[in-house]
Formats: sequence, C-alpha cells, structure tokens
Amino acid sequence: AQSVTQLGSHVSVSEGALVLLRCNYSSSVPPYLFWYVQYPNQGLQLLLKYTSAATLVKGINGFEAEFKKSETSFHLTKPSAHMSDAAEYFCAVIRISGSARQLTFGSGTQLTVLP
Amino acid sequence: NAGVTQTPKFQVLKTGQSMTLQCAQDMNHEYMSWYRQDPGMGLRLIHYSVGAGITDQGEVPNGYNVSRSTTEDFPLRLLSAAPSQTSVYFCASSYQDRGRGGYTFGSGTRLTVV
Repeated sequence: AQSVTQLGSHVSVSEGALVLLRCNYSSSVPPYLFWYVQYPNQGLQLLLKYTSAATLVKGINGFEAEFKKSETSFHLTKPSAHMSDAAEYFCAVIRISGSARQLTFGSGTQLTVLP
Repeated sequence: NAGVTQTPKFQVLKTGQSMTLQCAQDMNHEYMSWYRQDPGMGLRLIHYSVGAGITDQGEVPNGYNVSRSTTEDFPLRLLSAAPSQTSVYFCASSYQDRGRGGYTFGSGTRLTVV
C-alpha cells in the first residue's frame, strides 16, 4: 500500500540557510505526492504536488521538491529560510484501495527558523 | 468563494454527549473527507465520500458517523463522545480527479472531551 515516511519530526535552521525536509514514499505504482504546510492554529495549505509531469516541482513561497524514483524520495527544499517559513510540514501520497483514492499523510516535520 | 467552511472552531463536550461537526464547501467538489490530527501522528482519515449519497470508512472510523445528502455538506457525528476523541478535526474536499490535484482543507475544529 502507498505510504510516506518523514525523517525528522523537528528541524531547525538559521534564517537564510538551506531548508531540507525529507520524505520517502512506498508505492508499487507511480505515486501522486504532495507537500502541505500548516501554520499554527490553521488548516493545511498545499505547497506543491507531483503528478509525473516533471521530476522537479516548484511550489509556493519558494519551495520545491524533486521526485527521485531510484531513492523513492520526494524531499522538500528551499534555498534560503525565512522566519515566516516556521510551520509544520506534511508529506502525503494518494493511497489506492480498490477503486478508492485516499490522501495519506506522514507524521509531519516541525520547522523552526532561528534568527 | 469561501472554500471549505468548518463549524464550530472550538467545542468542549462531556463524555457521552453527542454532537455534529459541520463541513460545507462551495467549489462543487465531489470528494470530501474528514481527518483527525493528533500530535506526532499526522492526519488520519476517519470517513470519506466520493459523491452525494456515497460514503465509506477510512482508517479510524469507530465512534463517528457521516452522511452526504448534498454535494456541499458532509457533517461528522460523534455518537457518544469519549476522551480519546479529543483532537483537531479537519474537513477536506477535492475535484473528481480523486485528490490528484490536491485537497482543500478547512481551518479545523478543536474538540476537547472531558
């Protein structure tokens, strides 16, 4: 069954440093992969999605993710962290169960940006 | 265009009480889902619907009931609240591509059962 694993429940970076949030997927078929962001006391907002059109996906707020089939990874990156990037980030995959399609989430990574 | 609207935003229940969490979307999305979010566990699917009149169970359905009489509304009912149901609940919807375009989430309902 399709699933995702996020490595690191907490990540801290300095403002201006590279952001790297890790996500590995498990899927026997080409996956539909997503990154969502959740700011405190808010709902989830779609950052970007992979739907097999291109391996490097650009999202909102300067984030991007690269789909690497050989590594079964879909890591999220941003070249330069900003204080406003502090939030919780979720990797997700569409899980196929019979004819149903269900969005399944990783356990989340809390990003802290240090001044 | 309001997107996905959840009410109430906060609720405190006593053990054994019942209540309904409301979810409405104005995007004509066929697919709607309910998730609960607990610390360190990400979001877990409770129930989902692929269209009016059609619902199915997700990963953690016990203690919850749903119905989908219209495209717009997808209420979640807690039949007899238990402390284990203390959580943040999110409703989400998507187009008929079954979520491949990404889901739109409501802002959540924070429920405490005492």
